[in-house]
Amino acid sequence: TQLLEQSPQFLSIQEGENLTVYCNSSSVFSSLQWYRQEPGEGPVLLVTVVTGGEVKKLKRLTFQFGDARKDSSLHITAAQPGDTGLYLCAGDSGNTGKLIFGQGTTLQVKP
Amino acid sequence: SQTIHQWPATLVQPVGSPLSLECTVEGTSNPNLYWYRQAAGRGLQLLFYSVGIGQISSEVPQNLSASRPQDRQFILSSKKLLLSDSGFYLCAWNVGGLYNEQFFGPGTRLTVL
Repeated sequence: TQLLEQSPQFLSIQEGENLTVYCNSSSVFSSLQWYRQEPGEGPVLLVTVVTGGEVKKLKRLTFQFGDARKDSSLHITAAQPGDTGLYLCAGDSGNTGKLIFGQGTTLQVKP
Repeated sequence: SQTIHQWPATLVQPVGSPLSLECTVEGTSNPNLYWYRQAAGRGLQLLFYSVGIGQISSEVPQNLSASRPQDRQFILSSKKLLLSDSGFYLCAWNVGGLYNEQFFGPGTRLTVL
């Protein structure tokens, strides 16, 4: 069974701090996606990484896919209260049509 | 542009009552459709997915069933709800493609009392 382990589960920081969220697996994925979800709403896709070692930037968010395509990280620079939410990683094994989701990281950024 | 709708937004039902949650997608044809359940602040558990009308794959044996009577309509049902069926139910769609990116509806909060 493919699993994605996210860490940390919870993160509470002050505005302006930096943070990193990790998504790890023993399985190889053809691509990995990061979603952000606000309370009471559906997840919204942030980015998809597909190549081992790939780095993508979305304003203050930096996403990296591990060289072996088994892990990924999300780094936020100078966090703002608007970054508060649940961050989910999801892996695609490439041939099932299904995504494997991590358990999520709840981020709270205090003003 | 494509949009996905779910209703109702919230639902409170007694144990043993039936359930019907509906999901519809606009602006696309022959989408793949998915039902997920999410515990509070946690990841998503895939319940069912469908690649076409009448084609349903079940991921987890449970008290729920799904149907796809039309191309862009996906229904989640139960004949008798259990307390453990409470949760946040999300419908998602995609059209396959290279990376299987999924797009989610607003969700239905179900509370079984």
